[in-house]
Amino acid sequence: SQTIHQWPATLVQPVGSPLSLECTVEGTSNPNLYWYRQAAGRGLQLLFYSVGIGQISSEVPQNLSASRPQDRQFILSSKKLLLSDSGFYLCALSGSGYEQYFGPGTRLTVT
Amino acid sequence: KQEVTQIPAALSVPEGENLVLNCSFTDSAIYNLQWFRQDPGKGLTSLLLIQSSQREQTSGRLNASLDKSSGRSTLYIAASQPGDSATYLCAGGRGDYKLSFGAGTTVTVRA
Repeated sequence: SQTIHQWPATLVQPVGSPLSLECTVEGTSNPNLYWYRQAAGRGLQLLFYSVGIGQISSEVPQNLSASRPQDRQFILSSKKLLLSDSGFYLCALSGSGYEQYFGPGTRLTVT
Repeated sequence: KQEVTQIPAALSVPEGENLVLNCSFTDSAIYNLQWFRQDPGKGLTSLLLIQSSQREQTSGRLNASLDKSSGRSTLYIAASQPGDSATYLCAGGRGDYKLSFGAGTTVTVRA
């Protein structure tokens, strides 16, 4: 069965600093990959999704970006963090069956 | 755009009572509907996926139904236990691999 790893689990960063969150998956090949953000008191917001290496679609214009350098690796980045970037970041995957599976998440606090 | 609503936002029941969680969606052309469980500070765990051609899915004490004509899905949890305490989210898919999430119902099962 597939496994999703997210690193780091928690992160505290100052405003204006860069960001790099990593998601790696095991047990599947050619998955669709997703980055979501869950802010306090709000639902899940889809940020980016990818159907293959180098293919990234952005759902919400913001100061975040995503990259997929390998089939099973998805990276979320920012050059300069804002206070509003605080939240719980979740990586997810889906295969041909459309069912989505989620990783353990990264808790980001921007101070 | 698919809008998903979950009411109530919170629910408290005594142990042993059956749970009924509601989810409504605006686009009857929904492709699939997925129910998740989220424990505090954790990622989402997929519970059930219902394809648009199906009316319900069952797994153990869980049963989920889908009524596209009325724009509703219901998750039933039989004989609730304290371990069922969590936030339950539903999400509707459009067939393009993207999901629209409800805000969730937080369930507390009292021992």
